[in-house]
Amino acid sequence: GENVEQHPSTLSVQEGDSAVIKCTYSDSASNYFPWYKQELGKGPQLIIDIRSNVGEKKDQRIAVTLNKTAKHFSLHITETQPEDSAVYFCAASISNNDMRFGAGTRLTVKP
Amino acid sequence: EAGVAQSPRYKIIEKRQSVAFWCNPISGHATLYWYQQILGQGPKLLIQFQNNGVVDDSQLPKDRFSAERLKGVDSTLKIQPAKLEDSAVYLCASSLRDRVSGELFFGEGSRLTVL
Repeated sequence: GENVEQHPSTLSVQEGDSAVIKCTYSDSASNYFPWYKQELGKGPQLIIDIRSNVGEKKDQRIAVTLNKTAKHFSLHITETQPEDSAVYFCAASISNNDMRFGAGTRLTVKP
Repeated sequence: EAGVAQSPRYKIIEKRQSVAFWCNPISGHATLYWYQQILGQGPKLLIQFQNNGVVDDSQLPKDRFSAERLKGVDSTLKIQPAKLEDSAVYLCASSLRDRVSGELFFGEGSRLTVL
């Protein structure tokens, strides 16, 4: 089955700096790559996603890039704010089936 | 729009006891998922339903875990007998399963502590 690895496990940045989280996946058939944000005591919430027919997608301060050849994808957050502090998960799936999550990155944005 | 509802939010039991979790997905969502999230790890898929049929239960420990989705709406996840390593948050999620969006909508989870 699909295996998703995520790095780093923790990330601390100053407010206003950029944050980058990277993931790799093992199954070349995977074609859907979402990113979820989880705040304490809550379920994960989708923040951005990308499909395999697209190399990059941006939504305001958040962007995701996908390299299908290398089987890795990354989340970029610019101009970080304290409210961006949370745990971020990447995931990969084949047509929305059997979605596998990475282990998570705890992002801390220091004011 | 009401979100995914789960209950109970917290449950403490002793090992070898049984426990059941309930989930009510977003209205109209055909696909329902149960995930296990152990502290410090990402969610692990236990079972995926499409309406009331099972799509994937390959990672469900079937000797102690069972799940059902009667009438294609609500779902229950049962653990019997529980082990210490079952301590985790059990997340229910639902999705439309259409071609446009693959978004999973998660509930707040049910936190299980096995003593």
